[in-house]
Amino acid sequence: QSVLTQPPSASGTPGQRVTISCSGGSSNIGSNTVNWYQQIPGTAPKILIYRSNERPSGVPDRFSGSTSGTSASLAISGLQSEDEADYYCAAWDASLNTWVFGGGTTLTVL
Amino acid sequence: QVQLQESGPGLVKPSETLSLTCTVSGGSISSYYWSWFRQPAGKGLEWIGRIYTNGRTNYNPSLRSRVTFSVDKSNNELSLTLTSVTAADTAVYYCARDLLGAWDHWGQGTLVTVSS
Repeated sequence: QSVLTQPPSASGTPGQRVTISCSGGSSNIGSNTVNWYQQIPGTAPKILIYRSNERPSGVPDRFSGSTSGTSASLAISGLQSEDEADYYCAAWDASLNTWVFGGGTTLTVL
Repeated sequence: QVQLQESGPGLVKPSETLSLTCTVSGGSISSYYWSWFRQPAGKGLEWIGRIYTNGRTNYNPSLRSRVTFSVDKSNNELSLTLTSVTAADTAVYYCARDLLGAWDHWGQGTLVTVSS
């Protein structure tokens, strides 16, 4: 059971905009920033978003992050087949004193 | 370009100690935090903890009693030991450079299976 809650799956067609949610609580998302990671099965995770809405260099601006209260969202616009992957949110939890993750969302490009 | 490579035995017996090494190339390990993670097959990520290059550590409370990190700056290596392993410790283990939670460079991961 993950501390952060993500939908297990999401899907969209090429060119579409898709949003993946991440729900937490006051001790994690409610008081700390959120990072998002993309993981293609069989490979290591790759950072997409840090500090809730910052993109590392090299990450396309099709990817964006936002937070509101105890929830966060990752938006992917102009969906491409290469975006098929698992996506994870992560935040520091001040009560548990550890980084916590969502269970991951598998994105399918139809 | 910083690269990380995990290494260690792929098979560990129950109740024994798991030891892994993460070798960092293409840059110095100094002045950074380095985190360890694991991921059981088909499941999500778990943060094991992190170490700064001065030896300061933070461990996931759920594993604190069994895990130890160390750093060898002369060889640009990080180490993880996990004692008293069980089948629940079977996972792919990753190391990553830690920019205060923004893990920007990762190793490819190493599978550790706990089985007799």
